[in-house]
Amino acid sequence: ETGVTQSPTHLIKTRGQQVTLRCSSQSGHNTVSWYQQALGQGPQFIFQYYREEENGRGNFPPRFSGLQFPNYSSELNVNALELDDSALYLCASSLGTGWTDEQYFGPGTRLTVT
Amino acid sequence: QQQVKQSPQSLIVQKGGIPIINCAYENTAFDYFPWYQQFPGKGPALLIAIRPDVSEKKEGRFTISFNKSAKQFSLHIMDSQPGDSATYFCAAKKGQGGKLIFGQGTELSVKP
Repeated sequence: ETGVTQSPTHLIKTRGQQVTLRCSSQSGHNTVSWYQQALGQGPQFIFQYYREEENGRGNFPPRFSGLQFPNYSSELNVNALELDDSALYLCASSLGTGWTDEQYFGPGTRLTVT
Repeated sequence: QQQVKQSPQSLIVQKGGIPIINCAYENTAFDYFPWYQQFPGKGPALLIAIRPDVSEKKEGRFTISFNKSAKQFSLHIMDSQPGDSATYFCAAKKGQGGKLIFGQGTELSVKP
């Protein structure tokens, strides 16, 4: 059984650019959630995808968008990057959206916006 | 809006000590309270979780105490070891779905 993987590990972008981050879910998991973790803070929920459909969204602007593919891998896209978007982006996969379905986190992608 | 408040921000204990990390929540609809451990360069990993109908849960050296009336819960680490040095996050969730609300984290250092 493979864990959650994310790519790339690190990324440096310029303000105004666009970025795509990728996540490969744990085997058998059909749900993926994305979180933003600023330095020294707890993760903040961006959105969740369940079987390729968005299933909840946090307080993030529309320039944060996502996709989930039939193999349940996922992408996070951020347009018009701002300096405050610099953070660790985490994806977490789970068996479903059930009450206690555990979320397994990947190692994250460290995004730096200059 | 900070719905889960965590304290202290950092904690230093000697090996064998019992660090205690506290969290308070506002939303009484929360019904699932997990604790995560995060090492540098890694994603958070689930340690232990509790439901509000239980006042205490133990798993190995980790114990959650839950006080529903006070809207508070805490993590105790028994016989702490240097390998427990990490950042700990409490979190809360409401019903179905995956929106975990995290606390701000506690950086724990266990000295040999």
